[in-house]
Amino acid sequence: EILMTQSPATLSVSPGERVTLSCRASQSVSRNVAWYQQKPGQAPRLLIYDRSTRATGIPARFSGSGSATDSTLTISSLQSEDFAVYYCQQYNDWPLYTFGQGTKLEIK
Amino acid sequence: QLQLQESGPGLVKPSETLSLTCTVSGDSMTSGNYYWDWIRQSPGKGLEWIGNIYNSGTTYYNPSLKSRVAISLDSSKNQISLKMSSVTAADTAVYYCARRQQWPSYSDHWGQGTQVTVSS
Repeated sequence: EILMTQSPATLSVSPGERVTLSCRASQSVSRNVAWYQQKPGQAPRLLIYDRSTRATGIPARFSGSGSATDSTLTISSLQSEDFAVYYCQQYNDWPLYTFGQGTKLEIK
Repeated sequence: QLQLQESGPGLVKPSETLSLTCTVSGDSMTSGNYYWDWIRQSPGKGLEWIGNIYNSGTTYYNPSLKSRVAISLDSSKNQISLKMSSVTAADTAVYYCARRQQWPSYSDHWGQGTQVTVSS
């Protein structure tokens, strides 16, 4: 099973700041990484797939990048609605996809 | 607009079988090349993939749960079902159904989730 490790667990930031979230895979996952946003009481929402492709309707302030083992989600200018938990997911090891433990963005 | 809705008992006794249903509206489950997944989320284990079913009826399961899980599809009702046997407190979680693209294999539509607690 491929382990996905996210860092940091919690990030305190101010609105308007640029933020970078990291996700490391225990082995190569090629480009097969997705990012999801989850708010309290809601299901995860797809943001990014194929490491860097924005899903339909996702604002351009969200971007993804990285390498075969290290993926990054960047939010260029945090909006109030962006405070949430973010999960990375690998789907390289099909069908057994696995998620990271999440990074919580909280207001500083 | 595609919508998924999970339903089932919120409380299950230890050693019994958990049964959940996911009803899809807004499109036919068999109209495209999609997989239909069950995923659960608990404070202890985070998001965990349980298994899925293709519109042909082919199923795949997480090896760690395979011996206790069965997923089925009822195309006439546009529903998928999850059965998990011999549950313990470790199976307490929010259970989601989700649509997964064939490839790239991300999940683009999720149900709102249903809380299942295992307790006597």
